[in-house]
Amino acid sequence: NAGVTQTPKFQVLKTGQSMTLQCAQDMNHNSMYWYRQDPGMGLRLIYYSASEGTTDKGEVPNGYNVSRLNKREFSLRLESAAPSQTSVYFCASTLAGVGDTQYFGPGTRLTVL
Amino acid sequence: GENVEQHPSTLSVQEGDSAVIKCTYSDSASNYFPWYKQELGKRPQLIIDIRSNVGEKKDQRIAVTLNKTAKHFSLHITETQPEDSAVYFCAASRYNQGGKLIFGQGTELSVKP
Repeated sequence: NAGVTQTPKFQVLKTGQSMTLQCAQDMNHNSMYWYRQDPGMGLRLIYYSASEGTTDKGEVPNGYNVSRLNKREFSLRLESAAPSQTSVYFCASTLAGVGDTQYFGPGTRLTVL
Repeated sequence: GENVEQHPSTLSVQEGDSAVIKCTYSDSASNYFPWYKQELGKRPQLIIDIRSNVGEKKDQRIAVTLNKTAKHFSLHITETQPEDSAVYFCAASRYNQGGKLIFGQGTELSVKP
C-alpha cells in the first residue's frame, strides 16, 4: 500500500495563478483532510470530507476550494494564489473519524511569488 | 470552536533526561487527544493518543495524561534519546465533527547527547 500520496511535491506560482493539489489514499478510508503548516502555527485545517460526497470548512478555508472526487481522492484548489498561501500543505485520511489514526501524506511545498 | 494551546514552543534536554509538553483545550466536549511527532522535512506521525474516559496511557518511554476537569493533557518522554529530537504536536477532536483535529502550535524538542 502506498498510503496517502500527494502531487506535486513542490510548486512555485505567481500571484493570481491557479492550481490544484492532488491527494489520494489506498486504505479505503472514509474521511479526508487538508491542512496547511506554517512556522510557529502548527497544522491548521483548511477543509475536510467526513465521507464521500460531503465537504466542510475547517479553520482557514478562505481562498481555497475542495472536491471529493471519489472515496480515494480529495483535491484542493487555489483559484487565485496569494503570497499568504505560501505554505506546506498536507493531506490526511482516517478510517471513520474521531478516535482513528489520521495518516498524513508527504506534503506539498508551495511558494507564491 | 475548539482552541488548543501548547507549551513550551521549544525544549532542550540532555540525553537521558525526561521531557514534558503540555496542552490545554477550550471545548469541554472534546474527547480524543492524539500526539504527533514530525521529524525535519517529514510528515507528522501519530505516537500516542488518549480518549476522555482514560486518565493516563503509556507506551514504553512515552506517556500521556489527561485532566478533563482542568482541560489539559501532557506528553511525557522518559530516558530521552537523540532520535527523539523532532517537533511534537498535540491535537483535540470531538464526535460528530467528522474526525477533524485542531492542533496546538508545536514544540521543538532537542535532545543533546
